[in-house]
Amino acid sequence: EDKVVQSPLSLVVHEGDTVTLNCSYEVTNFRSLLWYKQEKKAPTFLFMLTSSGIEKKSGRLSSILDKKELFSILNITATQTGDSAIYLCSFNNAGNMLTFGGGTRLMVKP
Amino acid sequence: DAGVTQSPTHLIKTRGQQVTLRCSPKSGHDTVSWYQQALGQGPQFIFQYYEEEERQRGNFPDRFSGHQFPNYSSELNVNALLLGDSALYLCASSLDRRSYEQYFGPGTRLTVT
Repeated sequence: EDKVVQSPLSLVVHEGDTVTLNCSYEVTNFRSLLWYKQEKKAPTFLFMLTSSGIEKKSGRLSSILDKKELFSILNITATQTGDSAIYLCSFNNAGNMLTFGGGTRLMVKP
Repeated sequence: DAGVTQSPTHLIKTRGQQVTLRCSPKSGHDTVSWYQQALGQGPQFIFQYYEEEERQRGNFPDRFSGHQFPNYSSELNVNALLLGDSALYLCASSLDRRSYEQYFGPGTRLTVT
């Protein structure tokens, strides 16, 4: 059965800290891995990764995929209180269905 | 450019009742997927609609059904509601069936009492 496991479950840091969120997966028909940020309701799209070893960056956020070891990491540098959210990792299979992990709840304290 | 919209925002129903949730996809998108997110968990795939037909289905009972209209909007229907159906129901749209990226609406919070 396809599955996605995220760690840690939750994390509390102070503004300015750097965090690394982990996502490991087991999938039969991998097409892409997607990261989302969920603050209140709608998950908002962050990154899509399809190739190993190529880092995607957007401001203070970056992500990389390792298709050999079946994991991805999401890094956030110089964290701000606005980064407080649940971060969801998902993969997209051949049928274009997203399978999500349980999420990592990040709290950034001032 | 309007994003994905969903209605209603919140809904309270009683066990055994039926509910219909609605979704309008992002402009230019023709594929709609529905997800159920229980409290403290990640979203779970319910089904996907394209060209007015259900194309893929997750591990949900037949009480969950849907429809897609010619304008690409979609409905999710749940019959014989159970307490365990209480969740945030998210709709996501994508440009087409081959597009990897899915964009989510704000969701409908369903509470079953």
